[in-house]
Amino acid sequence: KNEVEQSPQNLTAQEGEFITINCSYSVGISALHWLQQHPGGGIVSLFMLSSGKKKHGRLIATINIQEKHSSLHITASHPRDSAVYICAVKSSQSEETSGSRLTFGEGTQLTVNP
Amino acid sequence: GAVVSQHPSRVICKSGTSVKIECRSLDFQATTMFWYRQFPKQSLMLMATSNEGSKATYEQGVEKDKFLINHASLTLSTLTVTSAHPEDSSFYICSALTGGGPSNQPQHFGDGTRLSIL
Repeated sequence: KNEVEQSPQNLTAQEGEFITINCSYSVGISALHWLQQHPGGGIVSLFMLSSGKKKHGRLIATINIQEKHSSLHITASHPRDSAVYICAVKSSQSEETSGSRLTFGEGTQLTVNP
Repeated sequence: GAVVSQHPSRVICKSGTSVKIECRSLDFQATTMFWYRQFPKQSLMLMATSNEGSKATYEQGVEKDKFLINHASLTLSTLTVTSAHPEDSSFYICSALTGGGPSNQPQHFGDGTRLSIL
């Protein structure tokens, strides 16, 4: 079992739909990241959170530390949101053992059709 | 925001060639840089962590003599794939982390290098 699991693996939506991508992890973490990887491969950091909820434009990220679960929501989805969304966690182990390394989920391929 | 530039974006070369990939932090000092490899439809796999001025820490299974990493300054790290073979064909991407400040900081990623060995 992977330390970080995402669902769904693939998601197709119509423009305007509300989208939710889920991430579950099995280790203690100090932070969780949501990343967006464009078709060309470049990666953009969307959110870094350790508790609660963050919002940026149409994107919302939530995390429940007790349940070891995070969700990424996209409101009013648009074809330009089509990308791979990756959840990554930073272990709460000491810096000497894990440094700042991230453990990545396998990503969710989102396709938003016009 | 913090910008990481990775060059080249694409390389196609013959088997046996050595290829150097550069990762630069353009507007901040990166005390730590990470090098990842990504195969199609798979997640990022950490290859090594490099800290400025010291030897890189390689992940298990990554050959340090095959993938040479140099982090000689606070704004530049290089990955050299030596004597590349077709199985080295992959997408390589770097990320950079600033030093100091809170321990939890976002990593800033380059746009990646698609390496194809013929």
